[in-house]
Amino acid sequence: QQPVQSPQAVILREGEDAVINCSSSKALYSVHWYRQKHGEAPVFLMILLKGGEQKGHEKISASFNEKKQQSSLYLTASQLSYSGTYFCGTASNDYKLSFGAGTTVTVRA
Amino acid sequence: DVKVTQSSRYLVKRTGEKVFLECVQDMDHENMFWYRQDPGLGLRLIYFSYDVKMKEKGDIPEGYSVSREKKERFSLILESASTNQTSMYLCASIVGVDSRQPQHFGDGTRLSIL
Repeated sequence: QQPVQSPQAVILREGEDAVINCSSSKALYSVHWYRQKHGEAPVFLMILLKGGEQKGHEKISASFNEKKQQSSLYLTASQLSYSGTYFCGTASNDYKLSFGAGTTVTVRA
Repeated sequence: DVKVTQSSRYLVKRTGEKVFLECVQDMDHENMFWYRQDPGLGLRLIYFSYDVKMKEKGDIPEGYSVSREKKERFSLILESASTNQTSMYLCASIVGVDSRQPQHFGDGTRLSIL
């Protein structure tokens, strides 16, 4: 079953912050985050493992709430280069990922 | 860097044709995946392979088959293409059998079935 991502889309001005949520109805072992720019391959951002850790990549960070089976991606002080579609991928008991529908982020100058 | 190469960026085929999409990875990864990507639906797993000649169905295997004769190459086959198979197709690979490893994606093949 696919995880649910919210919001579907967000528009930001440079320097603003945003949060993208990813929720699953299944117990999760890991959560992946990827970003895809138009016409390009999805690019790996980070993986969070069961245990509630938090990670960061540039000014993009993420958390994993094991009790809620939810992960959140934080875009801090957004830059134009942050524009793209962000996908979460969740894994329960094996290495297959189920991906969310994606969140389109548009950062404007 | 891992390189996953899909043979075509754009492909146009006719209804009823047999269509082959090719994917090659250069890092000796055991696991390879085929996804289709549709607006509002994200990436959905069609098939995956965990070893040469081994395959398993994903979430939406109907109308598709796969072939993995060599470790580096994973082919997706549309046995008799239909218009509802018009989509973006993405190939990915990972090392090992561990969801702690990132998936490496190809650039995708945008397939149109007329």
